[in-house]
Amino acid sequence: EAGVAQSPRYKIIEKRQSVAFWCNPISGHATLYWYQQILGQGPKLLIQFQNNGVVDDSQLPKDRFSAERLKGVDSTLKIQPAKLEDSAVYLCASSSGPPILGYTFGSGTRLTVV
Amino acid sequence: QKEVEQDPGPLSVPEGAIVSLNCTYSNSAFQYFMWYRQYSRKGPELLMYTYSSGNKEDGRFTAQVDKSSKYISLFIRDSQPSDSATYLCAMLDTGNQFYFGTGTSLTVIP
Repeated sequence: EAGVAQSPRYKIIEKRQSVAFWCNPISGHATLYWYQQILGQGPKLLIQFQNNGVVDDSQLPKDRFSAERLKGVDSTLKIQPAKLEDSAVYLCASSSGPPILGYTFGSGTRLTVV
Repeated sequence: QKEVEQDPGPLSVPEGAIVSLNCTYSNSAFQYFMWYRQYSRKGPELLMYTYSSGNKEDGRFTAQVDKSSKYISLFIRDSQPSDSATYLCAMLDTGNQFYFGTGTSLTVIP
């Protein structure tokens, strides 16, 4: 079974620039999550999709972050404009059922905002 | 007060040592308790999960939950250099919302 694919692996941008991350979940996984992991902290949920609908985006800073999951498969997360405090690893995860049963993370995209 | 508290370490032990990793929590609604392992530049991977108070063993790993004290532990016996990673505790509430600890960095020295 192929894992959760994310790209790019690394990105360095200047503050106020925009950036986009891409995620391809495990085939057949209906639920997709984007997490932000700041250095030295645990992952923090940004947004959860069920198929192509948003289930929870309560912690997504909507003034600058946006995410979409077209056709219920791939997803993109965008930041515009980026701030220094957005420097973090952005993790995508997917699951096929209850999170406890099969919740697979990708390797993440490491974003540095300078 | 954070929902989940975890000692960040870092923890450095010799190969073969017994390692104890701990988390405390404040929310009585948490129903599942998990331990994730995260290697450098990789995403977290699920090691073990438990539902009730008590112990659950899987090879060299033992997860322990004490709901009365709101305290969970992960024990690693006969630690190996390949166990060097960051260990994250995580808890799932009744709404399937995850709450992660900050992670403990472990280095096992050969």
